[in-house]
Amino acid sequence: GAGVSQTPSNKVTEKGKYVELRCDPISGHTALYWYRQSLGQGPEFLIYFQGTGAADDSGLPNDRFFAVRPEGSVSTLKIQRTERGDSAVYLCASSMDSRRTGELFFGEGSRLTVL
Amino acid sequence: TQLLEQSPQFLSIQEGENLTVYCNSSSVFSSLQWYRQEPGEGPVLLVTVVTGGEVKKLKRLTFQFGDARKDSSLHITAAQPGDTGLYLCAGAGETSGSRLTFGEGTQLTVNP
Repeated sequence: GAGVSQTPSNKVTEKGKYVELRCDPISGHTALYWYRQSLGQGPEFLIYFQGTGAADDSGLPNDRFFAVRPEGSVSTLKIQRTERGDSAVYLCASSMDSRRTGELFFGEGSRLTVL
Repeated sequence: TQLLEQSPQFLSIQEGENLTVYCNSSSVFSSLQWYRQEPGEGPVLLVTVVTGGEVKKLKRLTFQFGDARKDSSLHITAAQPGDTGLYLCAGAGETSGSRLTFGEGTQLTVNP
């Protein structure tokens, strides 16, 4: 597709369950970012990849959160033992090259609700 | 930790009015971006400013980067209902690489 694609668009789960959120970036974009946005707040940085490697994962809140990008394209954000406080919209973005601050192209987000 | 404070948090105005949104920090940024976000969608880039004192115009929108590169403003002239949305400023720190720090946003509503 032409834009950043995120699946699922909505996910409702129970506390303690495992969740995977997928991001398919714009073709050719080497940099991929994950942000989390709570209601009424701006996006909060989680992690970004340059190619296959995590260049900066300092925004991951704890060790229940993990992200991979094994082939340098699609990325998966994994959340273990979900908690109610994890409820938010998880945004993925991609850009041409993370070494220069250029335009981030965002997906529509995955809305996670933990009951 | 670099923080960006936006004001006002909420703004409701009538069509045709002018408005200014502010983005302030105690930190210096190598560049600053403004995004607009509509419900159910991701943010969309409006502009990037990189030079202290820089002014950029995009139709009815005027963006300014402070001389010290710590603050920015967005001015909209003759607002229209289509301008309604969440306006976000985002800064790239001098030592944080391409990691962007976002402000909490200004929710603008333009009433017809």
